[in-house]
Formats: sequence, structure tokens, C-alpha cells
Amino acid sequence: DSGVTQTPKHLITATGQRVTLRCSPRSGDLSVYWYQQSLDQGLQFLIHYYNGEERAKGNILERFSAQQFPDLHSELNLSSLELGDSALYFCASSVATLNTEAFFGQGTRLTVV
Amino acid sequence: SQQGEEDPQALSIQEGENATMNCSYKTSINNLQWYRQNSGRGLVHLILIRSNEREKHSGRLRVTLDTSKKSSSLLITASRAADTASYFCATDRLYTGRRALTFGSGTRLQVQP
Repeated sequence: DSGVTQTPKHLITATGQRVTLRCSPRSGDLSVYWYQQSLDQGLQFLIHYYNGEERAKGNILERFSAQQFPDLHSELNLSSLELGDSALYFCASSVATLNTEAFFGQGTRLTVV
Repeated sequence: SQQGEEDPQALSIQEGENATMNCSYKTSINNLQWYRQNSGRGLVHLILIRSNEREKHSGRLRVTLDTSKKSSSLLITASRAADTASYFCATDRLYTGRRALTFGSGTRLQVQP
């Protein structure tokens, strides 16, 4: 158990809908990363938050947004969903911004039908 | 584009043999990390090597880093069936002026019993 909790584990929704994925980082970790992993693909970096502030933005679509709350949990909002958004979405946390290992949650498997 | 590119994409070996995976990257880094992912699960951190280090060991794992060639290798000695997984290298790539942990496409390792 990495200590990072992601909910829900599975999500099935229709095209055009909006969903929210939630991540609770390990106790004491200030950094939260979001990644998207499509079938048999590597992890695409989406966005990084540190202590409530956005630090870096990667290949995140305009239909997607995220935030980190004062209690350090984070949410990834995906809207106007398309079939191609079906993927595993991972959250990872670390104690700092750099030079530290990241701890991954078990992911949310999103299926858009 | 991916910051880290693993090679080979897939590797199949017999139990007891050594497995070597390589990672190349494009820009300067502060550190390089290796992670393991069992199918559909969250990634697990294996080892972190800093840019001023050349080699690091952890149990049956040996990681080398050559910053002049912008490459790293992960060696797993005396492999076991339980080592079957995907292995990813990760670097702290720059995104709009800020560094974030970025993963390559991974090497799928199959260890035959």
C-alpha cells in the first residue's frame, strides 16, 4: 500500500459527460502529480501541484482541469468526454517537488462509451 | 515527445538470466528514477540516481547513468518470474520553466519460469 488513495477505482460514463477523479496523497506529501496511461502506453504527464499551487502543466487538454485543495487532496475534472479519453488515470504524491521518489495510487480506470 | 525512451520495448528471458533495459533522454536532468508497474497497477519506485552519480545498487538491481550520453541502464540480475512487469525510467523534464517527473514508454519484461 503506497498510502495514496484514488477514487473511484472504476468509472464508466457516456461521451459528452463530465467526471471528477479524486486523489488523497500520502500524509505529509505536498506534491501531487496526475498522469494518463492509455492501453499499453507510457504515462503522459498531465499536471503537477505543490502545496495548493499549480507547478507545471504537461499534455493536459483544455477539457481537463485540476486543483489541489487546502487539505492537499486533489481532483482531476474531465469534461466533454470522448471515447479517446478512456484510460487509466494515476495520481502520485511526493514530499517535495524534485529529487524525491513518487508514490502512486492504484489508478482510476475510466471507460467512455 | 517523451523525455525518456526505454529500449527495448519488450524483453523475454528465462528465469535466472540477467535483464538489461536502457533509457535515453534529451535534456539535462537533476536525477533519473526507475519504476516498475505490474499490469494495470500503480507504479512502484525502484531506485533514484542523481546526476552526479554514475552507478547505484539496490539488491538485485544495478543502475548506471551516463550524463554525457544522456542514457541510463537498469540491470536486474538472476531474474525471477515475479520480476515480470513493465519498467519505466523517469526524469525531471522542464515544462514551461518548471520541472516535473516525466516517464518514458517503458520496457515490458517477461521472465519465463
